[in-house]
Amino acid sequence: ETGVTQSPTHLIKTRGQQVTLRCSSQSGHNTVSWYQQALGQGPQFIFQYYREEENGRGNFPPRFSGLQFPNYSSELNVNALELDDSALYLCASSSRDFMYQETQYFGPGTRLLVL
Amino acid sequence: AQKVTQAQTEISVVEKEDVTLDCVYETRDTTYYLFWYKQPPSGELVFLIRRNSFDEQNEISGRYSWNFQKSTSSFNFTITASQVVDSAVYFCALSPTTGNQFYFGTGTSLTVIP
Repeated sequence: ETGVTQSPTHLIKTRGQQVTLRCSSQSGHNTVSWYQQALGQGPQFIFQYYREEENGRGNFPPRFSGLQFPNYSSELNVNALELDDSALYLCASSSRDFMYQETQYFGPGTRLLVL
Repeated sequence: AQKVTQAQTEISVVEKEDVTLDCVYETRDTTYYLFWYKQPPSGELVFLIRRNSFDEQNEISGRYSWNFQKSTSSFNFTITASQVVDSAVYFCALSPTTGNQFYFGTGTSLTVIP
């Protein structure tokens, strides 16, 4: 096990609602990355948080936002949910210094279904 | 641009057969990492290996081996004497060493038939 935990494990929401997903990083790691994995696809990078600031973002609209806390845990918030937001959301924990990143270790994911 | 291609969508083998999963990548970065992850039905991505672009040595870990060829931009993964527990989706990923995101392929679903 990686020591990366995510909650909740499953979630059902309706279109237009808002959702918050949570991730606790592995001990000693200072970076959290979030990915969206649609059925049958590879994970797609949403954004990364390093030292409580956003450190890069993929091709996702602003209604996807996040936070990282002083203990390096993180939240992913999605507003105005759309049907296409239904996916497995994966959190990855890693350590990095300013320039270099290391291996990302993934949590079990949160399965979100938007009806 | 960064891109990872896993051309094999699904592979089925009979237990104890060897199987090779292909991965081809594109990058303009001079230094990068390549990874393989395993995703069982539970959904969690399990880290298998990381290879630095400077290190083209092949690696063996038990029944698993990896063949990195920079000249062909490939990083293939072989499972020797496959077992039912190897059934999963396998992802190849690329990351610039100074970047932040991992670029994943679309995965290869491996089924090992008893």
